[in-house]
Amino acid sequence: GAVVSQHPSWVICKSGTSVKIECRSLDFQATTMFWYRQFPKQSLMLMATSNEGSKATYEQGVEKDKFLINHASLTLSTLTVTSAHPEDSSFYICSARVLAGALYEQYFGPGTRLTVT
Amino acid sequence: TQLLEQSPQFLSIQEGENLTVYCNSSSVFSSLQWYRQEPGEGPVLLVTVVTGGEVKKLKRLTFQFGDARKDSSLHITAAQPGDTGLYLCAGALTGGGNKLTFGTGTQLKVEL
Repeated sequence: GAVVSQHPSWVICKSGTSVKIECRSLDFQATTMFWYRQFPKQSLMLMATSNEGSKATYEQGVEKDKFLINHASLTLSTLTVTSAHPEDSSFYICSARVLAGALYEQYFGPGTRLTVT
Repeated sequence: TQLLEQSPQFLSIQEGENLTVYCNSSSVFSSLQWYRQEPGEGPVLLVTVVTGGEVKKLKRLTFQFGDARKDSSLHITAAQPGDTGLYLCAGALTGGGNKLTFGTGTQLKVEL
């Protein structure tokens, strides 16, 4: 159980275009999902918390108009990188929060490699 | 300033050796998780520790949560090439809305 998928697994786009990344919880419902960004050989950086049915909460320094998050259902959150530029090239990972007993645990998707040319 | 510091950053060892990875902070965490990540993939949850002083074992991996819940360690016995990967600790701050703060990461390479 607790499987999270992401689509696409990798994408190459031209500068100025927009790219949408999907994050799905396959065998459970998730009211809260998280979006992270990871640069090579570095740790994960939280970008935003995606809440089903409400607006996402963005971390300091993350442009909400550039990284649009929509959590329209209990199994799907999307991240749209608008007007992408080469500096947006990165590995984007989502996670879904699961209540395990009295604890919340996070399960991660396999990530999406974005390259902007 | 990074909230969770991991050491060492990089570790290259021979198969069969033992190793310990440390995760340190000045903040108190309600829980702490350890993940392993392989290149091009998402992190995979290894363990969650909650109680100060708690020790959990997962085959050759031993995880310990500090008494004050500010630090943790991961000890691997008789490392194997399959243990190679990026090890990440992540803590949930008390009152932090269950958001995880990730450590700086430890890149482990186990060679034959």
